[in-house]
Amino acid sequence: AQSVTQLGSHVSVSEGALVLLRCNYSSSVPPYLFWYVQYPNQGLQLLLKYTTGATLVKGINGFEAEFKKSETSFHLTKPSAHMSDAAEYFCAVSVIIQGAQKLVFGQGTRLTINP
Amino acid sequence: KAGVTQTPRYLIKTRGQQVTLSCSPISGHRSVSWYQQTPGQGLQFLFEYFSETQRNKGNFPGRFSGRQFSNSRSEMNVSTLELGDSALYLCASSSRGGNQPQHFGDGTRLSIL
Repeated sequence: AQSVTQLGSHVSVSEGALVLLRCNYSSSVPPYLFWYVQYPNQGLQLLLKYTTGATLVKGINGFEAEFKKSETSFHLTKPSAHMSDAAEYFCAVSVIIQGAQKLVFGQGTRLTINP
Repeated sequence: KAGVTQTPRYLIKTRGQQVTLSCSPISGHRSVSWYQQTPGQGLQFLFEYFSETQRNKGNFPGRFSGRQFSNSRSEMNVSTLELGDSALYLCASSSRGGNQPQHFGDGTRLSIL
């Protein structure tokens, strides 16, 4: 069964520092992977997606993620953190059953930015 | 283009009552999914609808049900509410399901007293 593990429930970085949020997946088929961000009192906003093709995926707000099949990883990075990046981030793998998609999410990583 | 709209944003109910939550998908999107978010269990899939048909259901009791209308709007219903049903309920839509990205609403926060 497909699953997602996010290493680190809390990550804290200084403003301007590199952001690295880790995600490992388990999938018996080629995975479709997503990163979402959730700000307080809001729903989930799609940051980026990996379907097929290029393994380095660029998303919104300067984020990018690299799909590494050999490591079953899809880590999210941003070169320079901004205060507005403080939020909770979720990695998800898509599971298709009878044509219907469901997303299986990791437990989330709360990102704190220190001034 | 308007996003996914969920109403109401907040609800307070007592144990034993029932509740109906509403979701209007992005225009043109035919697939609507529901998720429950709690601090303990995280984000869990409830069910998915496409063209008024439930195609997939998560591991939730029968008290949780849903439906989709011909205009793709969806409702979910929870009967005989329990304290553990307190959660943020999120609706997501996509153009046709499959591996298309899902776009989420801001959710309905349900509190059970």
